[in-house]
Amino acid sequence: DGGITQSPKYLFRKEGQNVTLSCEQNLNHDAMYWYRQDPGQGLRLIYYSQIVNDFQKGDIAEGYSVSREKKESFPLTVTSAQKNPTAFYLCASTLRGSHEQFFGPGTRLTVL
Amino acid sequence: RKEVEQDPGPFNVPEGATVAFNCTYSNSASQSFFWYRQDCRKEPKLLMSVYSSGNEDGRFTAQLNRASQYISLLIRDSKLSDSATYLCAVNTQAGTALIFGKGTTLSVSS
Repeated sequence: DGGITQSPKYLFRKEGQNVTLSCEQNLNHDAMYWYRQDPGQGLRLIYYSQIVNDFQKGDIAEGYSVSREKKESFPLTVTSAQKNPTAFYLCASTLRGSHEQFFGPGTRLTVL
Repeated sequence: RKEVEQDPGPFNVPEGATVAFNCTYSNSASQSFFWYRQDCRKEPKLLMSVYSSGNEDGRFTAQLNRASQYISLLIRDSKLSDSATYLCAVNTQAGTALIFGKGTTLSVSS
């Protein structure tokens, strides 16, 4: 089945530790995105990538880093510089030329 | 003015009611518009794309008003299963990234 997978579903980390969230898609989509959602809030764009080996900062990129070495994969690292990392992280992708975004199931990160 | 704004609600309606949500956007050059549905603690799922001519899918109707810069979602004959948060999304000028509203919460009761 085609789709977007994110792992793990729940993640707990101690303050000060870097953590990497996985996002994989087998839809042959070109563009991939990372959003963050806080309770009662909308989705805020962290980073996005339209092609392999290229990515752009979104509205709240500080304290995050990404890579896009393969078309299928767009991992997000939450660094210790991110002041309030506890949130629901959502990965999405789109086909070239389309604006319809499809989301993975998300990762809930809790920093203790 | 925020880029995409929605009335957060909650909208509490009985089964069978008709309910409408609006979403305003600030960028007049926006080209693509969508409604997503998000269930509690789940990812958003695409409900409908919104076309200039409007579009209908069963009990759901989406419309675009470019002059006033808003999109709307009408749900007829509400079901208990329609209870969710509805997010509107608009494309940016820069590329394919969408800007999302904060969502409108709908609660349908029996």
